[in-house]
Amino acid sequence: QSALTQPASVSGSPGHSITISCTGTNSDVGGYNYVSWYQQHPGKAPKVMIYDVTNRPSGVSNRFSGSKSGNTASLTISGLQAEDEADYYCTSYTNSYTVVFGGGTKLTVL
Amino acid sequence: EMQLLESGGALVQPGGSLRLSCTASGFTFSSYAMSWVRQAPGKGLEWVSVVTGSGGSTYYADSVKGRFTISRDNSKNTLFLQMNSLRVEDTAIYYCAKVVGAPLFGYLQHWGQGTLVPVSS
Repeated sequence: QSALTQPASVSGSPGHSITISCTGTNSDVGGYNYVSWYQQHPGKAPKVMIYDVTNRPSGVSNRFSGSKSGNTASLTISGLQAEDEADYYCTSYTNSYTVVFGGGTKLTVL
Repeated sequence: EMQLLESGGALVQPGGSLRLSCTASGFTFSSYAMSWVRQAPGKGLEWVSVVTGSGGSTYYADSVKGRFTISRDNSKNTLFLQMNSLRVEDTAIYYCAKVVGAPLFGYLQHWGQGTLVPVSS
């Protein structure tokens, strides 16, 4: 199972918005609404930010939102803050009864 | 407070075996599927395996199938990962995580801090 494709890095200025893409196939992202997004700060465990494509767990800022079109899911962060600087990973269920992660995207807040 | 604490990480030679443990507290352990995810040094996250709440069903990534076995002891609130025939490329921090929702469809709500497994001669 190949990893989902994410851009290696994105950047944005405080207060602005950024979008991170996550591209798979119709065997994973495109075939199911089981895409999640995780934030990981250096040396820390990951934290879920979005699940089931668009849902935010309790306690996650509404500045984080998710969407999907075809085989590509997206995470949008609005009103960028310095604390948002981290690595972000998408993940999806696959029709091989496995779960696949994206390669990760490093977000830099300028 | 929900807690997951991994243990058992150690330096092991290629071809060797190791068993990781993850002790849970703060939630009804048997009601949730549990998963292992790993991260090689400086690399991204890789899903490894998941087990249902009862322990009756297990699923694995192709990269570990046939070598790793996930299991749980609900009487001791503990998750295990038995790793055999270890390879250099299995070197990683291994995280255990609580799954909310169906084992393969759900999301990883809570993670431990991880345990490091270096595989080297």
